[in-house]
Formats: sequence, structure tokens, C-alpha cells
Amino acid sequence: GIQVEQSPPDLILQEGANSTLRCNFSDSVNNLQWFHQNPWGQLINLFYIPSGTKQNGRLSATTVATERYSLLYISSSQTTDSGVYFCAVSDKSTFGDGTTLTVKP
Amino acid sequence: DAGITQSPRHKVTETGTPVTLRCHQTENHRYMYWYRQDPGHGLRLIHYSYGVKDTDKGEVSDGYSVSRSKTEDFLLTLESATSSQTSVYFCAISDEGVGNEQFFGPGTRLTVL
Repeated sequence: GIQVEQSPPDLILQEGANSTLRCNFSDSVNNLQWFHQNPWGQLINLFYIPSGTKQNGRLSATTVATERYSLLYISSSQTTDSGVYFCAVSDKSTFGDGTTLTVKP
Repeated sequence: DAGITQSPRHKVTETGTPVTLRCHQTENHRYMYWYRQDPGHGLRLIHYSYGVKDTDKGEVSDGYSVSRSKTEDFLLTLESATSSQTSVYFCAISDEGVGNEQFFGPGTRLTVL
């Protein structure tokens, strides 16, 4: 099956810093999603982005399907951004292992 | 927020007992999924459904069965629970009409002693 790899596995930032999370996938995809799992365990949809670039406030995402990767950008990070970020190839129902982000005040 | 509920939200049971988890949706979406999440890992697909009475296996289906008798309900059954099935279980829904974007329920924390 398809392999989904996320990097880095862990990331610690000071409040206000910017970051880039990466998701590599081993095969062509039709649907790619980014989720944020908050400290209470809830999975929050961030982006549905099979290709191209989308922005939502301080967050943006880019998927380059031909090169089999997607990037999630977080700008001016806040403590509430802490949690685990997952990418998922949703047409194959396959998740990466996530990036754990800790934003310190 | 997508209308997805899961019940129970927490359950503690003993090895060898049967357990049924319920996922209920109010969105009339065609597809429903059951995943499990273990510490330090992403979600892994157990089973999914593509319509009433239509189900298929996922990556980690051994020891689990599912049923979908109505569009809105998808049941996950552990016939004889084992300690290795201690996990957090998430239900998700999707529909072709919205590009098959998946939306998740709040999860059920299951502990098998």
C-alpha cells in the first residue's frame, strides 16, 4: 500500500515563530488532507488539498502531486497551535505518524 | 461541524468480553470508516462501509467485525476483546459530493483489562 511519511516527528517553537511541516507519499493521490489533533484528542480538519495551495489565516498548505509531497506552513505560532499534525491520503485512508508541535510562551 | 457522534465515549472491559461501539451521523454521507489510534502513531483503518450492508476490510481488521443496517449508523464489534485492542477508536464519514473529504467523530477510548 501507499506509504505516508511526515517530518519532523517533533518540533518545539517559541511563540511567534514560523514552521514548515512536510508530508511525503509514495504513490499518486487523489485526496490529501491535513488535520490537527488537539490536546483533548479531537481531530480538526485543516485543509483538503489534493493539489495546489490554500490559505486559512496563519496556516497555509501546498501539495505538489507530481513530486509526491505536501507542506503545511504555520506562521506566527501560538500556544494553541500545539498538538499533533497529521497528513492523510484520504482516498487510501492512510495516515502518516504525525508531527508533534509544542509552542512555548 | 459534521454531525458525527460516537458511543460510548469511554469504556473499560475485561479480556474475552464482546464490545460494540456505535457511530452515528446526521449528514447522510455514503462512506463511513472505523480507525484505531495507538500512542505515537497515526490512525489505522479497521473497516469501512460504502453503503448500507456494504463493508470492506482495512489494514488492521483481524478481531473486528462491522455492520451497517442504516445509512446513519456504523457499528464496530470486538467479538472477544483482547488487551491488544486497547486503543482510541475514531469513526469518520465522507461523501463523493464533497470530494470524499473525511470528517471525524470525537473518538471512543477503550481499555481492555
